[in-house]
Amino acid sequence: EDQVTQSPEALRLQEGESSSLNCSYTVSGLRGLFWYRQDPGKGPEFLFTLYSAGEEKEKERLKATLTKKESFLHITAPKPEDSATYLCAVPRGGTSYGKLTFGQGTILTVHP
Amino acid sequence: DAGVIQSPRHEVTEMGQEVTLRCKPISGHDYLFWYRQTMMRGLELLIYFNNNVPIDDSGMPEDRFSAKMPNASFSTLKIQPSEPRDSAVYFCASSFGGMETQYFGPGTRLLVL
Repeated sequence: EDQVTQSPEALRLQEGESSSLNCSYTVSGLRGLFWYRQDPGKGPEFLFTLYSAGEEKEKERLKATLTKKESFLHITAPKPEDSATYLCAVPRGGTSYGKLTFGQGTILTVHP
Repeated sequence: DAGVIQSPRHEVTEMGQEVTLRCKPISGHDYLFWYRQTMMRGLELLIYFNNNVPIDDSGMPEDRFSAKMPNASFSTLKIQPSEPRDSAVYFCASSFGGMETQYFGPGTRLLVL
């Protein structure tokens, strides 16, 4: 069965303190990995899609990387506005369409 | 672009009542997804449509749940009768192409008393 596990469940950082979030997955034939950000009371907001091991993508203070078994979301010098829940998702194995399996998310809190 | 639009944003109802959630996908998108989010189970796919046709409803929890997409601009998720365990946030998402990025609406927060 496809599984997506995110760690840690919650992360508290001081402003400027860099760190990484982890997304481990088990799925047959990975066809992409998606990162989303979700603010309280809002829908998930798309951040990145990674398709192959070794791929990296950046957006402001965020950088996502992908290996054959996991993905990392690196946050460099975070600011309080980066506080949110970060979700990763993968398309379920054996399907041709976007049936995504989501992880439980990492709740990031950045203190000023 | 207005993004995915959902209504109502909040719904409070009593057990046994019918609940209808509405979604307008992004114009031009050919896939529409309904999700449910709870603290215990996270974000779960309920059903998705391609070109207005339901493709996979294996995530629909019970026969009390039904979804329709009468045209490319509108979809509904109906719960009849509603139960307290249906309380959750329901999201609609759309994409252009099944394997492409899904864009989520703001969600409907449902509370069944």
